[in-house]
Amino acid sequence: EVQLLESGGGLVQPGGSLRLSCAASGLTFSSYWMNWVRQAPGKGLEWVANIKQDGSEKNYVDSVKGRFTISRDNTKNSLYLQMNSLRAEDTAVYYCASGGGWRIEDWGQGTLVTVSS
Amino acid sequence: DIVLTQSPDSLAVSLGERATFNCKSSQTVLSSRDNKNYLGWYQQKPGQPPKLLISWASTRESGVPDRFSGSGSGTDFTLTISSLQAEDVAVYYCQQYHSSPLTFGGGTEVEIK
Repeated sequence: EVQLLESGGGLVQPGGSLRLSCAASGLTFSSYWMNWVRQAPGKGLEWVANIKQDGSEKNYVDSVKGRFTISRDNTKNSLYLQMNSLRAEDTAVYYCASGGGWRIEDWGQGTLVTVSS
Repeated sequence: DIVLTQSPDSLAVSLGERATFNCKSSQTVLSSRDNKNYLGWYQQKPGQPPKLLISWASTRESGVPDRFSGSGSGTDFTLTISSLQAEDVAVYYCQQYHSSPLTFGGGTEVEIK
């Protein structure tokens, strides 16, 4: 059974930084594209970023380009999201998700990021 | 960017009745390379992460009840629940994985009439 466990969420002031982590188990981590998807309170789903199996390709939604960086460590079965210059509109539950190709199959439980002064 | 428009926004259906909702894409998600539609359907219950129900527009995931079915090609897609059960109350999202940025539809909320 695939398990994805996010951590690192919390309350941060506008302009601040936060680093999310996702620990993966139950899958051959290095064989999967990995994603971050977010959901603002009471709103729909928004894909944020993904990263290829070997880290050689990364894609981002326009609203986070230049502020967020996705990375992975296949030796630790871990995915990361470095978030800088955070804004109120980045407030959301952030999900770690895995998939074959760009298809998103499995999801973590999410971690809440709140950007507020 | 590919925009996915779901309709209706919400739907109330009696137990045992059919529920049908739609997803329209602003561009084709049918790949000429492999003739597959790069579209999935997810179910999200309150307080839970989404769950993948259907891939490639019509392929049911393992363990998903056969009352769920997906159809369509190109730009127009449908998810059907043939006989609504109480546990199907949720928000349903379509998502395309044909082009970056990956995008989701706005969701259809299903409730019991």
